[in-house]
Amino acid sequence: AQTVTQSQPEMSVQEAETVTLSCTYDTSESDYYLFWYKQPPSRQMILVIRQEAYKQQNATENRFSVNFQKAAKSFSLKISDSQLGDAAMYFCAYKIDNDMRFGAGTRLTVKP
Amino acid sequence: KAGVTQTPRYLIKTRGQQVTLSCSPISGHRSVSWYQQTPGQGLQFLFEYFSETQRNKGNFPGRFSGRQFSNSRSEMNVSTLELGDSALYLCASSSGQPNTEAFFGQGTRLTVV
Repeated sequence: AQTVTQSQPEMSVQEAETVTLSCTYDTSESDYYLFWYKQPPSRQMILVIRQEAYKQQNATENRFSVNFQKAAKSFSLKISDSQLGDAAMYFCAYKIDNDMRFGAGTRLTVKP
Repeated sequence: KAGVTQTPRYLIKTRGQQVTLSCSPISGHRSVSWYQQTPGQGLQFLFEYFSETQRNKGNFPGRFSGRQFSNSRSEMNVSTLELGDSALYLCASSSGQPNTEAFFGQGTRLTVV
C-alpha cells in the first residue's frame, strides 16, 4: 500500500528562523511526484512546492525548499525566514499517475 | 482564471438525510477528485472523476457516490447520513494528466446532527 507519513503532528518556529517539516513515503514505483500543500485557517489548500521523483535536484520556491532523498523515501520541507503568514497545516502528498495520497499533516505555529 | 468553486460552503443535515455537494473545476481541467478531511483521519481520498467516468475510488461505503457532467462539474452525494460523516469535503481539480498538481476548492463543511 502507498502511504505518506508525517511524524510531526505539531511544530513551532520563531519568526525569521528556519524550520524543517518531515515526510516519508512508501512506494515501489519509480516515477511519481511529491508535493507540499499548505492549509491556512481559511481552509484553502495551497500548493507550496512540487518535486518530480526523476529529478535529483531539490526543488526551491523562494523561502521554501525541499530535501528529497529518493533512496530513503524522504521528502522534507524547509521554510527559511519564517513569517507569521506561514502558520498553517502543512500536508505532504504523493502522486502516482492520477492517484494522490496525503499525510496526516503538521500544524506549524510561528511565534512573533 | 477562476479557481475551484465548491458549493455550499456550509451545510447542516440531520442523521438519515442525504446531501449533494457541488464542485466546479478550473476551466479546462477534466479531472475532479473528492476528499474527506476530519481531525482524526486527515485527508481521505473518496474518488476521482475524469471525463464523466470514475477513474479511482477510495475505501468508502457505497453511501458515498459521485458523478461528473460533460462540463466537468462534479457532484458528490452522501445518502443516509451518519454523525461520523461530519467533515470538511474538499474537491480538487487537475488537468487529468498523470502526476500534475491538484488545485483545491475551499471545501464544504458538513455537520450532521
